[in-house]
Amino acid sequence: NAGVTQTPKFQVLKTGQSMTLQCAQDMNHEYMSWYRQDPGMGLRLIHYSVGAGITDQGEVPNGYNVSRSTTEDFPLRLLSAAPSQTSVYFCASSYGGGMNTEAFFGQGTRLTVV
Amino acid sequence: QKEVEQDPGPLSVPEGAIVSLNCTYSNSAFQYFMWYRQYSRKGPELLMYTYSSGNKEDGRFTAQVDKSSKYISLFIRDSQPSDSATYLCAMSRIYNYGQNFVFGPGTRLSVLP
Repeated sequence: NAGVTQTPKFQVLKTGQSMTLQCAQDMNHEYMSWYRQDPGMGLRLIHYSVGAGITDQGEVPNGYNVSRSTTEDFPLRLLSAAPSQTSVYFCASSYGGGMNTEAFFGQGTRLTVV
Repeated sequence: QKEVEQDPGPLSVPEGAIVSLNCTYSNSAFQYFMWYRQYSRKGPELLMYTYSSGNKEDGRFTAQVDKSSKYISLFIRDSQPSDSATYLCAMSRIYNYGQNFVFGPGTRLSVLP
């Protein structure tokens, strides 16, 4: 039972570098999202997708891009890393279909930008 | 005003104590209420969920929702050191294209042996 899988678990980037955080789910969920978690700030929504080919911005989208070409995968791209993007990133998925259901989270990617 | 308010703690209790964790919210459109537990350096995992006002019990855990007061609680009976974690309240609503989740900042709980 893989659930939501995120890679890598840890990453150190230099300012200005780009990278992609990977997220995959095997539950056939429609809804997928990316959050960042910072001390005292809780989980803040970066981008989300309600299905393949459909994405939209969340609360803190600047500096990040997403795409959703398949139901299973929802990668998050950092275009030009900045120290302010140092955080723990979580991918989540839920059933969707216009229903209220719980979100399932990956184990997180701990990103440090120096 | 934030949509969801939660006392960040930290909260320290002795083993066996009853723990009460609370959140208030401002948006009456929220329909679905959840509690997540997050161990250090791990992702949040769902503990309990409920739709309606009232109590829902699962073992040592009881989730309580009062929609009229916009207040949700999680009670932990006979707390154990293994309950030491951060507890996040969460709520959601359906809108045009999907489900909008909002999370509290979390309360860090330590249960001391």
